[in-house]
Amino acid sequence: GAGVSQSPSNKVTEKGKDVELRCDPISGHTALYWYRQRLGQGLEFLIYFQGNSAPDKSGLPSDRFSAERTGESVSTLTIQRTQQEDSAVYLCASSLTLLGRETQYFGPGTRLLVL
Amino acid sequence: DQQVKQNSPSLSVQEGRISILNCDYTNSMFDYFLWYKKYPAEGPTFLISISSIKDKNEDGRFTVFLNKSAKHLSLHIVPSQPGDSAVYFCAASSGGSYQLTFGKGTKLSVIP
Repeated sequence: GAGVSQSPSNKVTEKGKDVELRCDPISGHTALYWYRQRLGQGLEFLIYFQGNSAPDKSGLPSDRFSAERTGESVSTLTIQRTQQEDSAVYLCASSLTLLGRETQYFGPGTRLLVL
Repeated sequence: DQQVKQNSPSLSVQEGRISILNCDYTNSMFDYFLWYKKYPAEGPTFLISISSIKDKNEDGRFTVFLNKSAKHLSLHIVPSQPGDSAVYFCAASSGGSYQLTFGKGTKLSVIP
């Protein structure tokens, strides 16, 4: 595809369940980013990948959050034992390189609702 | 502590008039600023950017102004069109970093 795609587009889950969110970046983009947008808030940076490596995980909100990337392509963000405060839109973006000022192209997001 | 602030949650403008969206920042290390536009159910799309070495950047109907001493930037859209109705996010980065800090966004409504 031409752009960044994410799945599912919507996810409703019960508190305590695990969820897995998927991101397919633009082909050839080596850098990939995950953001979270809570209701009424700006985008909050979570984690980035350079290739398959995520050198800095300090932006992840808690140890219930993890992310991986394989084949310098698809990335998954996993939230274990979901809590209601995890409800948000999770956005993925990719850029050609990790160099600063490279345009980040965003996917449509996954809207997560934890009941 | 919000480092990038968009104090107006919403703005309504008549079609054909100028839309002015404002953004303030507190981190003096920020040296690159961007505006993203977001339609419902879509991801943000890059609109325009400006480096701190400039005070103005223009692209068609969109102009971004930067006032470093006031730590303020603004996006001007002239003339405004109904298709411009969207949420606009201001973002900033420093030192060539990939990491963007976003504001909360301003919802622009252009009334036909």
